[in-house]
Amino acid sequence: GNSVTQMEGPVTLSEEAFLTINCTYTATGYPSLFWYVQYPGEGLQLLLKATKADDKGSNKGFEATYRKETTSFHLEKGSVQVSDSAVYFCALGILSGGYNKLIFGAGTRLAVHP
Amino acid sequence: GAGVSQSPSNKVTEKGKDVELRCDPISGHTALYWYRQRLGQGLEFLIYFQGNSAPDKSGLPSDRFSAERTGESVSTLTIQRTQQEDSAVYLCASSTGTLRRNEQFFGPGTRLTVL
Repeated sequence: GNSVTQMEGPVTLSEEAFLTINCTYTATGYPSLFWYVQYPGEGLQLLLKATKADDKGSNKGFEATYRKETTSFHLEKGSVQVSDSAVYFCALGILSGGYNKLIFGAGTRLAVHP
Repeated sequence: GAGVSQSPSNKVTEKGKDVELRCDPISGHTALYWYRQRLGQGLEFLIYFQGNSAPDKSGLPSDRFSAERTGESVSTLTIQRTQQEDSAVYLCASSTGTLRRNEQFFGPGTRLTVL
């Protein structure tokens, strides 16, 4: 079946530290991959996406590369800020019945302290 | 409106009661989705609407759950005879269509607590 596994949180970092949040997936076909972010008290927002193998999605200093050989889409940022504290969700997009069905991981909470 | 809105933001109900959750999608978005997010877990897909039709209801957990959409706009998710395991945040999302690259825009959610 289709599923997403991401590293358990919480992840606690100091400001300016390097961030990696691991995400691996199992999918049939050729999925799209997404990272969504949920800031405290807000709805989910799309952070970045990649639609085919070797694509790199990037936004706000975050990056993730679609690796088909390792079925991974790890999220990275070189220098985190306190404002990056949020819950990050990796998601798989599968074409199902003509639409893009999203399957989410459990989420990883990131806490950045000054 | 500027984004997806949901109401109420919080709902506390007693076991066995019925509840209705409302979603107002972004104007012009033809696709609408409902998800459930249990505490500490990821989002579970519930149902997808294209226009007023629901071609995919595969995520509805039981026949106590139903949803409708009218005017290709507002959607209501109804849970009958609520149980404690229904406690969760219910999220609605909308998108412009069905193409694989279309982004889903999420509302802030309704937090449902069943006592």
